[in-house]
Amino acid sequence: NAGVTQTPKFQVLKTGQSMTLQCAQDMNHEYMSWYRQDPGMGLRLIHYSVGAGITDQGEVPNGYNVSRSTTEDFPLRLLSAAPSQTSVYFCASSRDQNTEAFFGQGTRLTVV
Amino acid sequence: RKEVEQDPGPFNVPEGATVAFNCTYSNSASQSFFWYRQDCRKEPKLLMSVYSSGNEDGRFTAQLNRASQYISLLIRDSKLSDSATYLCVVKRPGGGNKLTFGTGTQLKVEL
Repeated sequence: NAGVTQTPKFQVLKTGQSMTLQCAQDMNHEYMSWYRQDPGMGLRLIHYSVGAGITDQGEVPNGYNVSRSTTEDFPLRLLSAAPSQTSVYFCASSRDQNTEAFFGQGTRLTVV
Repeated sequence: RKEVEQDPGPFNVPEGATVAFNCTYSNSASQSFFWYRQDCRKEPKLLMSVYSSGNEDGRFTAQLNRASQYISLLIRDSKLSDSATYLCVVKRPGGGNKLTFGTGTQLKVEL
């Protein structure tokens, strides 16, 4: 019963580098989302998906891309990392739009 | 004004105390309401959903007042293990499970 799995758990990037944060869920959930959590702020929605092939922007999408080629996977791509993207990133999934969201353990990203 | 506002605390209470957290939200069209718990350096986990009629789960009671756009969480007989940050969460109108999070209220239960 893995639930939502994120990799890596920790990452340090240099400014301008690109990388992909991986997220996979084994609960056959249609809805998946990416959030970032910064000190003094609530989790903020970056991108979300309501099913394979369908993605949309959240409130802080700039600098990030997503794709949803399968129900299970929802990777988040940083195209050119900036220090402002230093944060803790959480992936979440839910069965539908009104039910509990299950979160991965998070990825702590530092951009230097 | 933030979409979801909470008192950040910390609330330091003795074991066995009753403690209440409040939360206000700004979007009157918000559809679903939750309390999540987040332990230090861990992911958020659902504590309980909040229903219009109010609901209880053991020592935890949640209330929703749609007219005042206000949500509350009451914890009775606090345990050391209740120490955590409690996140007030509101689902935004529209498609997708788009959640808006408060910044969280930190609870420390002490001996």
